[in-house]
Amino acid sequence: DQQVKQNSPSLSVQEGRISILNCDYTNSMFDYFLWYKKYPAEGPTFLISISSIKDKNEDGRFTVFLNKSAKHLSLHIVPSQPGDSAVYFCAARDTGTASKLTFGTGTRLQVTL
Amino acid sequence: NAGVTQTPKFRVLKTGQSMTLLCAQDMNHEYMYWYRQDPGMGLRLIHYSVGEGTTAKGEVPDGYNVSRLKKQNFLLGLESAAPSQTSVYFCASSYGRAEQFFGPGTRLTVL
Repeated sequence: DQQVKQNSPSLSVQEGRISILNCDYTNSMFDYFLWYKKYPAEGPTFLISISSIKDKNEDGRFTVFLNKSAKHLSLHIVPSQPGDSAVYFCAARDTGTASKLTFGTGTRLQVTL
Repeated sequence: NAGVTQTPKFRVLKTGQSMTLLCAQDMNHEYMYWYRQDPGMGLRLIHYSVGEGTTAKGEVPDGYNVSRLKKQNFLLGLESAAPSQTSVYFCASSYGRAEQFFGPGTRLTVL
């Protein structure tokens, strides 16, 4: 039973364009959602997060949108840069569970020149 | 600050051998976690700890044991390695907020 799903294993976007990565979840008890970025042979690094009481959070080129009624969140990267090429993981925290995170399976983003 | 460090970076074991993976953090975090990452499966939680001397099972704990004798260290043990434990292992720590900080990973191959 996958509670956090990333249905697109890969995405290719041209440099300068917008990248949109999607994530769906099933557990209504999730109170925080996070995006992590992972380069090969490195650990995941935190990118941006959003509380379940908000619908948008922005940090520079990165914006996360949350649609609670649809149990869907998305990460927008504008403009996309070659250095953004990495695997992006969506994660969700369950309320009151030692801050444990449930991860999606990841989307590999390739930004082409 | 080194953040979260993991030892070793790579290891090859034979089936039935044992080993211990060490995770250390210098951020004074209370919470620590061990994950494994397999192709197409994202990161899955093995065990976690909410403080020195405490441990709890995560999503995939079978075949692993952990110890948190010191606040800054979290050890993951494999008593009798199996090929199914071939994976990349990540340690993470946090203050108890949502954001977790990850180490660089240990790539383990069990033959």
